Amino acid sequence: EVQLVETGGGLVQPGKSLKLTCATSGFTFSNAWMHWVRQSPEKQLEWVAQIKAKSNNYATYYAESVKGRFTISRDDSKSSVYLQMNSLKEEDTAIYYCIKMDSDYWGQGVMVTVSS
Amino acid sequence: DIQMTQSPSVLSASVGDRVTLNCKASQNINKYLNWYQQKLGEAPKLLIYNTNNLQTGIPSRFSGSGSGTDFTLTISSLQPEDFATYFCFQHNSWRTFGGGTKLELK
Repeated sequence: EVQLVETGGGLVQPGKSLKLTCATSGFTFSNAWMHWVRQSPEKQLEWVAQIKAKSNNYATYYAESVKGRFTISRDDSKSSVYLQMNSLKEEDTAIYYCIKMDSDYWGQGVMVTVSS
Repeated sequence: DIQMTQSPSVLSASVGDRVTLNCKASQNINKYLNWYQQKLGEAPKLLIYNTNNLQTGIPSRFSGSGSGTDFTLTISSLQPEDFATYFCFQHNSWRTFGGGTKLELK
């Protein structure tokens, strides 16, 4: 059974940092290109970041709205992908989903709230 | 950045209706357009990939068409479980979602 489980969300003040973890199982993680997508309280979906596999030199890509503030990374030995979020803004408030997009595998999502 | 505009934002329809949802890209995205369905409290689910390819397990009443900048999702005969929000998504250049169409019961 395929599982993607996101953890690490919560309430954080503007300007602070938070790190999300997505632990996966049930598929060959080391070959997978992984993504983070978020959904705002207004239900708008936004693609956030992608990381490719080792064979693609772990290439990373980011939405303009998070470039320079967020970092996606992975640990193939733990079948996990991460999203380090720095300098958080109120507009980063959303549910964050971890996704294997080509197979349409989604996690349950984790809520991040940025508020003073 | 490529902008994706969906219309209408809300569509009221009845069970058995044939409905068409629209998605327009701000520039040519070739065939790289997916459609997702999202029900309340759930993650989105892929229905159609690369314009007109039905994802495994998705009923054949769903179909997609289009090219370049204009795309459509058609549901040939609405079923009760189809009332949901639908998002288009381009993956030709970076990745962008549309704003969604909420399909509601008339």
